[in-house]
Amino acid sequence: AQRVTQPEKLLSVFKGAPVELKCNYSYSGSPELFWYVQYSRQRLQLLLRHISRESIKGFTADLNKGETSFHLKKPFAQEEDSAMYYCALSGDRDDKIIFGKGTRLHILP
Amino acid sequence: EAGVTQFPSHSVIEKGQTVTLRCDPISGHDNLYWYRRVMGKEIKFLLHFVKESKQDESGMPNNRFLAERTGGTYSTLKVQPAELEDSGVYFCASSLGPGLGRNEQFFGPGTRLTVL
Repeated sequence: AQRVTQPEKLLSVFKGAPVELKCNYSYSGSPELFWYVQYSRQRLQLLLRHISRESIKGFTADLNKGETSFHLKKPFAQEEDSAMYYCALSGDRDDKIIFGKGTRLHILP
Repeated sequence: EAGVTQFPSHSVIEKGQTVTLRCDPISGHDNLYWYRRVMGKEIKFLLHFVKESKQDESGMPNNRFLAERTGGTYSTLKVQPAELEDSGVYFCASSLGPGLGRNEQFFGPGTRLTVL
């Protein structure tokens, strides 16, 4: 079954502390993995995708095919990082996106 | 560029009524997608248009839902008759097409549907 699992509904982290949002996936094939973010009162937007291997707003995510994970990390959290984060995948046979349930990241001052 | 737009932003209707949601994709985007998030659940795919053709409608929950994209521009999603479990946020997204650099999906702000 195709599935994306985000085990944490809510993650609270102090400003300046490291952040790690967990994501595991299940897919038979070669999916493309993404992280989407939705800031308060804004629309859902792409944060990063595994094939670009970029760091966006200080966030990185490494695809671990052995562990089928795609955890999102940032070494030093900032208050503006508070948002809803969705891990997602797109299959190699179609373009539809399969989303996890999302993790609300709350950065404490 | 306004991005993907959706109308209305909110809709409150009674069970048994009909509602039509509209999505205007980014100009030039052939691919248009509908998703929805029901309370407490993940955002789920409904269907995918390529221009005016339905490429994949495997996520449509039942035949009370009808999506159209006449002329390959804007799309409508009609729910008739609406049921309580249809309440949620309906998102539309669009992309240029397949292939690296073209397949990023840009999302609209969503329509919040409440069925009473």
